[in-house]
Amino acid sequence: EAGVTQSPTHLIKTRGQQATLRCSPISGHTSVYWYQQALGLGLQFLLWYDEGEERNRGNFPPRFSGRQFPNYSSELNVNALELEDSALYLCASSLGGVPETQYFGPGTRLLVL
Amino acid sequence: RKEVEQDPGPFNVPEGATVAFNCTYSNSASQSFFWYRQDCRKEPKLLMSVYSSGNEDGRFTAQLNRASQYISLLIRDSKLSDSATYLCVVTNYGQNFVFGPGTRLSVLP
Repeated sequence: EAGVTQSPTHLIKTRGQQATLRCSPISGHTSVYWYQQALGLGLQFLLWYDEGEERNRGNFPPRFSGRQFPNYSSELNVNALELEDSALYLCASSLGGVPETQYFGPGTRLLVL
Repeated sequence: RKEVEQDPGPFNVPEGATVAFNCTYSNSASQSFFWYRQDCRKEPKLLMSVYSSGNEDGRFTAQLNRASQYISLLIRDSKLSDSATYLCVVTNYGQNFVFGPGTRLSVLP
């Protein structure tokens, strides 16, 4: 069974640009979570989607947004990129709407120059 | 106070040693608890869930103390391959997962 996949693996952008990151959950999983992990820091929760709806949002500015598609895949969009947005962005998926065990994808490394 | 706290370490232990990590959480309504491990520059992977009765998986034992609001992970007979960062994770019903900052373990030959 395929795990969580993310694309691209690496992304280089300049300040002010927009980045789009994609995630495909494990087949049968309806929940998708996004996290930011800056170098040397812990995981910071960004967004949680389930059944196409945003269920919860972390303490990030509105320029971080996303959506979940009918096939449960998800996109994370970061507008007006800032240098401090450089980080590993991890997507995780789980079953159902109640927090269950999460399985992580390999992440997208975003570098903002 | 952070919602989930862990001793950042690093814990440097020789092979074969027993090492224990603690994690404290502030929300008494927390529902589910997990330990994840994260290797350097890799994604976190589930190590084990933590149940009120405690649970064991080979060399790993997890305990939950709801009254004191802490979770522990015990690793016996440490192997070099156990070197990683161990993340304590707490969930609240209907809410998101909250990850602790992680405890770094280095098992030395």
